[in-house]
Formats: sequence, structure tokens, C-alpha cells
Amino acid sequence: RKEVEQDPGPFNVPEGATVAFNCTYSNSASQSFFWYRQDCRKEPKLLMSVYSSGNEDGRFTAQLNRASQYISLLIRDSKLSDSATYLCVVMGNYGQNFVFGPGTRLSVLP
Amino acid sequence: GAGVSQSPSNKVTEKGKDVELRCDPISGHTALYWYRQSLGQGLEFLIYFQGNSAPDKSGLPSDRFSAERTGGSVSTLTIQRTQQEDSAVYLCASSFPGQGYGYTFGSGTRLTVV
Repeated sequence: RKEVEQDPGPFNVPEGATVAFNCTYSNSASQSFFWYRQDCRKEPKLLMSVYSSGNEDGRFTAQLNRASQYISLLIRDSKLSDSATYLCVVMGNYGQNFVFGPGTRLSVLP
Repeated sequence: GAGVSQSPSNKVTEKGKDVELRCDPISGHTALYWYRQSLGQGLEFLIYFQGNSAPDKSGLPSDRFSAERTGGSVSTLTIQRTQQEDSAVYLCASSFPGQGYGYTFGSGTRLTVV
């Protein structure tokens, strides 16, 4: 099983839509989780941390289910500028580095 | 500096030549990471530094790859006898120590081996 797996995508949604990304991870001991976004030919940038109780930042909501080893990201009222690849990030099995999922590409269409 | 600085931003080299990639992390970030990303692929972990020591070198793909960090700051990734499959974007990231901090990435070095 891969350390971090994500919806394969791509997701093509109209402006204003709500879209959800799913991620599963194998390291049950991981304590840290993040969502990053990566624009085409750019470096990944931290979008938000994921907390055990779930957290919200504007239109973005992150959820963590430790029992199922599952993380989600919900984007409400999608904007054209949300078009990017979204990367799920989890502390690796050896506790030294973060493992990046393969990413889910989102295209928000006018 | 204000961000993670990487140089060069682009490097074209001939197969068989050695290259050095440089990363200057954010001041105060003791943890430093190297990843690489091939076109259309995900991020592949290469090596991690805490201070000047590298407790995890497991991601280095072959013995042609090496990295060092001096003074707890600048890091250099060296690729010897480059091969075409080494072509990728090499990304450096830094963070405060501990699991709770996300990484800040540099803009990467795009390496092309011809």
C-alpha cells in the first residue's frame, strides 16, 4: 500500500461548485497532516494544516478521521483561481519527513 | 532571507557531467529537505537534514547523488555523472524542527540532462 493515496482526478467543476478531495494514508502513528496546492510549473505552497477536530479557513474545510486514516479537503464556492493540483501531506513512516500524495488536479471552469 | 532561495533556477548539462544545486533556507529553519519532481509526477523525497546532519538519506536514488549542509544553513545537492533520467525539478524546503510545522519550498532548480 502506498504511504499516501489521493483521488486520481482530474476534477473539472464550474465556478461556484463545491468540491471535495479525499486522501488516505498508511502511517497510523502520523501526527501531522497538511494540504498543499501546487500551480502549474510552480513549487507547492502550504494551504492549511489539518487538525484532529477539523478546521476551516474561509471557503476551505479540512477533516481528519484517524480511525479510518483518512483526510479530506472541501472547497466551497469554487473560484477560477482555485485551479491547481492539491497535495495531501502526511508525516512519513519513519517520522523524519513528510510524504506527499500524488495530488489531485482541479480545474474550475467559467 | 524572506524565503527559501535555490540556485540556479535552470540548469542544462550534458550527460556524464557533474552538477551542484544550492539551497539557502529561511533563517532559523533548522530542518531542510530535498525533493525532486519529474514532469507530471509527484514529489519524491531525497534527503532530510536536521542542522548539519542527515539522519535520513533513504531517498537518494543512487550513489551518484550526495548532499551536504554546512553551518546549519546552506545545502548543496550534488549529482555526479548525470544521466537523462536525472532530469527533473529539484525542490528544497525548510521548516522549524518538529512535526507540527509545514514546509516552505523554494522555487526549485529545473535540471535538464541532454
